[in-house]
Amino acid sequence: EAGVAQSPRYKIIEKRQSVAFWCNPISGHATLYWYQQILGQGPKLLIQFQNNGVVDDSQLPKDRFSAERLKGVDSTLKIQPAKLEDSAVYLCASSFGLAGTNEQFFGPGTRLTVL
Amino acid sequence: SQQGEEDPQALSIQEGENATMNCSYKTSINNLQWYRQNSGRGLVHLILIRSNEREKHSGRLRVTLDTSKKSSSLLITASRAADTASYFCATDGTSGSRLTFGEGTQLTVNP
Repeated sequence: EAGVAQSPRYKIIEKRQSVAFWCNPISGHATLYWYQQILGQGPKLLIQFQNNGVVDDSQLPKDRFSAERLKGVDSTLKIQPAKLEDSAVYLCASSFGLAGTNEQFFGPGTRLTVL
Repeated sequence: SQQGEEDPQALSIQEGENATMNCSYKTSINNLQWYRQNSGRGLVHLILIRSNEREKHSGRLRVTLDTSKKSSSLLITASRAADTASYFCATDGTSGSRLTFGEGTQLTVNP
């Protein structure tokens, strides 16, 4: 079974630039998550999709971050414009059902460095 | 707000020893999960324990849950160098719709 795919694996940009991350979840998984993990901390949920609808985006900085999941499969996360504090690893995960009762499968992450 | 908090922040042991990590949380939960993260990689699910369960085993892993104390522990028996990783607990709250991760315990197993 193929895992969660993410690209790119690494990205270096300057502040105020834009960046986009892509995620392809495990086939058949209805729920998709984007997490931000700052060095030395646990992952923080940014947004959660159920199929192509948003379930939870309460912790997404909507003035600069946006995400979409067209057709309920692939997803993209965009930051525009980036700030220094956005330097982190962005993890995508998917699960068959809702977060609490289901195991989440994580991708390898995209390490973003903002200079 | 911070939900799960792991203790200790870092733990260093010798191969063959047991490792115990603790997690405390603030609000009521339906389920608690433990994940492992090797350096530079994504997280891997280890075990899920429901609020009506007190103990669960999976191979060399033993998880306990005390809802009255709002705490959980993860025991790894007969540790191996390959167990070196960060371990995170994650709780779902009563809504069950979102997982909140703690800050993690960095475990180092020395060969």
